[in-house]
Amino acid sequence: SQQGEEDPQALSIQEGENATMNCSYKTSINNLQWYRQNSGRGLVHLILIRSNEREKHSGRLRVTLDTSKKSSSLLITASRAADTASYFCATDSLGAGGTSYGKLTFGQGTILTVHP
Amino acid sequence: NAGVTQTPKFRVLKTGQSMTLLCAQDMNHEYMYWYRQDPGMGLRLIHYSVGEGTTAKGEVPDGYNVSRLKKQNFLLGLESAAPSQTSVYFCASSASIISPQHFGDGTRLSIL
Repeated sequence: SQQGEEDPQALSIQEGENATMNCSYKTSINNLQWYRQNSGRGLVHLILIRSNEREKHSGRLRVTLDTSKKSSSLLITASRAADTASYFCATDSLGAGGTSYGKLTFGQGTILTVHP
Repeated sequence: NAGVTQTPKFRVLKTGQSMTLLCAQDMNHEYMYWYRQDPGMGLRLIHYSVGEGTTAKGEVPDGYNVSRLKKQNFLLGLESAAPSQTSVYFCASSASIISPQHFGDGTRLSIL
């Protein structure tokens, strides 16, 4: 079963605009991660936010986490054509006894297209 | 640094054939993972390993076996391929359970 549900499924914007993608999940987590996948390639890690963090920045990326709503958002500011890719959230869920095994559960992804 | 290398990149099999997918990492990572990615779905974990000589089942392990005889290699085997196993297979590794995962570029497998 998919832990993460992403919204929207596809997003089309113009270069320079901001892109926001949302992720919801179902169980308690140790951390939540965002990955990017270019067509025909493997996933590339973007950012990791721990369950006790609310916001994190990395360059043009801003991630928020609301554990009470079990949701996260990824904001890409001043988008570029090179940002065109699929974006996935992945959760590292807590197992029995509050332990984590580093097993990630991925959402279905958001396909972002940035037009020059 | 090559990172995570998967071989082969493409393969076509007939139903019932067997094959092994190889994943090699040169980052001295303890943890390694095998995922499959199907259209419209995110990645699903098949098997994983928390260190040399260990393996464990993920979300969708049926029809697959794995081995981790050496720390740098993680093998995924299909004993009797079925059309439902047509997919793109990704291997990943991480230094610890809280570290980001590093992915290979995938093996595209078609089973006729």
